Amino acid sequence: SAVISQKPSRDICQRGTSLTIQCQVDSQVTMMFWYRQQPGQSLTLIATANQGSEATYESGFVIDKFPISRPNLTFSTLTVSNMSPEDSSIYLCSVGTHGGQDEQYFGPGTRLTVT
Amino acid sequence: GQQVMQIPQYQHVQEGEDFTTYCNSSTTLSNIQWYKQRPGGHPVFLIQLVKSGEVKKQKRLTFQFGEAKKNSSLHITATQTTDVGTYFCAGPGYALNFGKGTSLLVTP
Repeated sequence: SAVISQKPSRDICQRGTSLTIQCQVDSQVTMMFWYRQQPGQSLTLIATANQGSEATYESGFVIDKFPISRPNLTFSTLTVSNMSPEDSSIYLCSVGTHGGQDEQYFGPGTRLTVT
Repeated sequence: GQQVMQIPQYQHVQEGEDFTTYCNSSTTLSNIQWYKQRPGGHPVFLIQLVKSGEVKKQKRLTFQFGEAKKNSSLHITATQTTDVGTYFCAGPGYALNFGKGTSLLVTP
């Protein structure tokens, strides 16, 4: 298993600003993913963070809004840009070894509220 | 990815009663995973099923994968208040394709 930490754990931000969320893993991992979970809802994949190349975004998510960095095999960041109240959600990073073919381990999440 | 549908959306039981949640797919799944998310927490991996007809047990939890590998179930025997949370199934894909989850409430 992997131990994952996220910073910040929660934040309240004003609309129009940006927030960068950090995800740190205690071991090198191939696959890192960013999910969004709105209150009472399931998890929606935002993008896959690829080490050494651009992130792969899912339909409905774009790089300008959710830029992602993956500088090495243990760290990634997700930025939520030009925030609006609709971006209020929990953002979770997860890691896996073989994509959807193997279990994933999730960070504790970042609870974002945009006012 | 391979989408999965999950029912019921909510279940409220008395402590000691059994609980079952079902996961269905229109296509054959290479595997299916189950996760539990406690209120205010993050999803935690429970199990992965790979083989047709596979049944796995974890104490009071029984996981089953259908013969056609298109459906799965999670059954909890004699629920306890510690079982409260949302149970998600997830189909394989480049990442995981999560079902909408079943929220379980257990009343003492």
